[in-house]
Amino acid sequence: GQNIDQPTEMTATEGAIVQINCTYQTSGFNGLFWYQQHAGEAPTFLSYNVLDGLEEKGRFSSFLSRSKGYSYLLLKELQMKDSASYLCAVMDSNYQLIWGAGTKLIIKP
Amino acid sequence: IAGITQAPTSQILAAGRRMTLRCTQDMRHNAMYWYRQDLGLGLRLIHYSNTAGTTGKGEVPDGYSVSRANTDDFPLTLASAVPSQTSVYFCASSDSSTEFTTGELFFGEGSRLTVL
Repeated sequence: GQNIDQPTEMTATEGAIVQINCTYQTSGFNGLFWYQQHAGEAPTFLSYNVLDGLEEKGRFSSFLSRSKGYSYLLLKELQMKDSASYLCAVMDSNYQLIWGAGTKLIIKP
Repeated sequence: IAGITQAPTSQILAAGRRMTLRCTQDMRHNAMYWYRQDLGLGLRLIHYSNTAGTTGKGEVPDGYSVSRANTDDFPLTLASAVPSQTSVYFCASSDSSTEFTTGELFFGEGSRLTVL
């Protein structure tokens, strides 16, 4: 079966750096997405990786290793507004999105 | 610019009742999707539409139906609601040209449905 694994919850301190991991086993691979979802709101797009390596976008970076079935989202200079759930999703060989359950990130002052 | 609008935002209904969740987008995206989100689970695809006039079944289609009469609207209907359909429902769209070749998904704000 297809599976996306990410930690259920993480806690970090304001101003610090946090890394949210995502491992996947899917039927084929056509890209990996990260979305941010604040409580009670809709998911919003953060990043897309299809090739190995690091994609940087401001305070957020996303890394992909296709051979290891692994990605991480790196958040730097954490702010209280970064408290949210972070969803990892992989597009399989049929171009269907397989979603992880999300990682709830709690930022403490 | 509204993006994607869902209605109602929240609804409580009795089991056995019929319910339609509305979804309208103004971005002229060809692909639209309905997901449900339940605590502890990832988003699960209910139905999708790659273009006006066509629809397809997702991972959890039973008990739901959709129609896509035009580009902008993609309503989701529960013919006879059951308690297991209590969930948060998200409509989404993307500017994709082939089946499930999606770039960024744009989501509506969600419809919280409780079936008693």
